[in-house]
Amino acid sequence: GQQVMQIPQYQHVQEGEDFTTYCNSSTTLSNIQWYKQRPGGHPVFLIQLVKSGEVKKQKRLTFQFGEAKKNSSLHITATQTTDVGTYFCAGPTGGSYIPTFGRGTSLIVHP
Amino acid sequence: DAMVIQNPRYQVTQFGKPVTLSCSQTLNHNVMYWYQQKSSQAPKLLFHYYDKDFNNEADTPDNFQSRRPNTSFCFLDIRSPGLGDAAMYLCATSPPLGTPTYNEQFFGPGTRLTVL
Repeated sequence: GQQVMQIPQYQHVQEGEDFTTYCNSSTTLSNIQWYKQRPGGHPVFLIQLVKSGEVKKQKRLTFQFGEAKKNSSLHITATQTTDVGTYFCAGPTGGSYIPTFGRGTSLIVHP
Repeated sequence: DAMVIQNPRYQVTQFGKPVTLSCSQTLNHNVMYWYQQKSSQAPKLLFHYYDKDFNNEADTPDNFQSRRPNTSFCFLDIRSPGLGDAAMYLCATSPPLGTPTYNEQFFGPGTRLTVL
C-alpha cells in the first residue's frame, strides 16, 4: 500500500550538533505535517507544508517540502537536550484525506 | 483551553475481559481518530469518524469497535483483549475538509492499556 518512508530510525547527536530527518513518498503529497512526540508523551503538531518547494522555520527548526511534493525534511540546528523525542512526518496518500504516518526518527541528544 | 481528553490514562485489564476507552474534545472538530501505538512504532490508525460516518481501516481487527454518540465523545471498545493488544491508544481530532488545517491533528494524552 501507499507508504511514507522516514529515515533514519534513530539518530544520536552530541548537544550542539545539527540533526536532519527525511521523509519520502512514492506518490505526490497534497500536504505534509510534522509532529514531535516526547518520551512518554503524545504526538504534538509542529507544522504543515503545502506548497511545492516550501521552506518554513521555527526558531532552530527548518522544514522543507520538495519541489515534486514527494519528500520533506526537518533540520534542527544546534540541538539541545529539550529536542529529544521522536519526530514523525505524515501525509495523505492514495487519494485519501487521512494522513499516513512515517515510522518516525528518534533523536537522542547527549549532553 | 480547547483540548482532547482521554480517560483513563492507564487501564489494566485481564485477558479476554472487555474494556472501553473514552475520548472527549472541546475543539468541536468533525473528525475523530483512534490510533494504536506500540513501543518505538508509529501510531497505527484503527478507524476514524467524519461526523457520524464511521471509517474502519482494512486491517483493524474485529475485536476493536467504536462508538461516537455525539461530536464531543468517542469510545473505543476492545471486546476480548489479548496480550498483543497491550499498547498506548491515542485519540485525535482534526478540523473538517475544506479548512486549510484539515490535516492538523490534535492528540489526546493517550490511554496506556496493560493486559494481564
